[in-house]
Amino acid sequence: EDKVVQSPLSLVVHEGDTVTLNCSYEVTNFRSLLWYKQEKKAPTFLFMLTSSGIEKKSGRLSSILDKKELFSILNITATQTGDSAVYLCAVEAGNAGNMLTFGGGTRLMVKP
Amino acid sequence: NAGVMQNPRHLVRRRGQEARLRCSPMKGHSHVYWYRQLPEEGLKFMVYLQKENIIDESGMPKERFSAEFPKEGPSILRIQQVVRGDSAAYFCASSQLQAGGEQYFGPGTRLTVT
Repeated sequence: EDKVVQSPLSLVVHEGDTVTLNCSYEVTNFRSLLWYKQEKKAPTFLFMLTSSGIEKKSGRLSSILDKKELFSILNITATQTGDSAVYLCAVEAGNAGNMLTFGGGTRLMVKP
Repeated sequence: NAGVMQNPRHLVRRRGQEARLRCSPMKGHSHVYWYRQLPEEGLKFMVYLQKENIIDESGMPKERFSAEFPKEGPSILRIQQVVRGDSAAYFCASSQLQAGGEQYFGPGTRLTVT
């Protein structure tokens, strides 16, 4: 059975801190890994990673994938209160189309 | 440039009633996915559809749940004879590609069974 595990479960930081969120996976026929941000509504797409070692960046957020060690990290620098959310990692795998297997999420709270 | 649309946003049903949840994918997307998020749990895949075809329903409960994506109109997730345990947020996502494409999520339908 495909498995995606995120850590930590929750994190409390102060504005300006840098955080690193972790995602490890065990799946069959890996295709891609996706990061989403969820704030009490629809998960919002952040990144999709398919190749090892290539960093994706968007403003203060960045992410990288290691297909050998089967994990990804999401970094957020200079955190702001608006970054408070649940961050979800999902892996696309298998043969029958791109269903996503989600991790349990990391709940990030950024205090002013 | 409308995103994925779902309605209703909130739905209250009594035990034993039927619930119908609708999803219109993003323009240009022909692949639709339904996920369920139970309280304090992660998102779980239910079913993957293309127009008039169910591609993968491995995550669907065997009874009471069904899904369709007709040639015209939105995709519908139907839950018959709802029970309290069906209370959850149901999210629909769509993608342009069958594989390797980003999935974009709708705002979800929060179902409450009383």
